[in-house]
Amino acid sequence: NAGVTQTPKFQVLKTGQSMTLQCAQDMNHEYMSWYRQDPGMGLRLIHYSVGAGITDQGEVPNGYNVSRSTTEDFPLRLLSAAPSQTSVYFCASSAQEYGELFFGEGSRLTVL
Amino acid sequence: GENVEQHPSTLSVQEGDSAVIKCTYSDSASNYFPWYKQELGKRPQLIIDIRSNVGEKKDQRIAVTLNKTAKHFSLHITETQPEDSAVYFCAASKDGNNRLAFGKGNQVVVIP
Repeated sequence: NAGVTQTPKFQVLKTGQSMTLQCAQDMNHEYMSWYRQDPGMGLRLIHYSVGAGITDQGEVPNGYNVSRSTTEDFPLRLLSAAPSQTSVYFCASSAQEYGELFFGEGSRLTVL
Repeated sequence: GENVEQHPSTLSVQEGDSAVIKCTYSDSASNYFPWYKQELGKRPQLIIDIRSNVGEKKDQRIAVTLNKTAKHFSLHITETQPEDSAVYFCAASKDGNNRLAFGKGNQVVVIP
C-alpha cells in the first residue's frame, strides 16, 4: 500500500515551459486535491476533485489545469510556467468529505 | 473566502512544559478544524481534528479546543518532547470536500 505517490520529486523548468505533476493514490479515495506550499504562506488549495470526472477550483487556480479520469490519478498541469509558480506542490487524498488528508511526499518545482 | 490566522508564529518551550497555539478564523459557517504537523522536509500529517458540534477533543498529550462564539480554536500539547519540534498548521473548512483553508503555520521548538 503506497498511499499517495507524486512524481517527479524535483523539477527545474524554464519560463514558458509546460509540464505535468503526477499524483496517484491506491486507497480508493474519492477526494483528491493539490496544494502549493510557499515559505511563510502555509498551504494553499489549487484544485480539488470529489470523484472521477469532477473537479473544481480552489484558492489559487490560475495557471494550472487538472483532470480526474480515474479514481486513482489526479495530474496537475502547468500550462506556461512562470517564476511565481516556484513552490513545493503537495497532492492529497481523503476517504471522507470531512476527514484526514493523506499527503504525498511533495514535488519541488523551480521555474527559472 | 475563509481567512485563518495563527499566533504566535514561533514558540519555544522547555521540554516537559506545555505549548499552546491559537488560530482564529473569519467565516462563522466553518465547521471542521484540523491540525497538521509538518517536520522539516516531510509531508504534513494530521494530528487531531474537531467538528463544530464539539467543544474539546483529546488524544493522549494533544488536545484541541474550539470557541465558536469567538471564532478561535487552539492546539494544546502537554509534556512536550523533542520530537514535538515541527511546524503546526491549523485549517478550517465550511464546504467539506476537503476544501481546507490553512493558516501560515507555527514553528514549535522544544528545548531539551
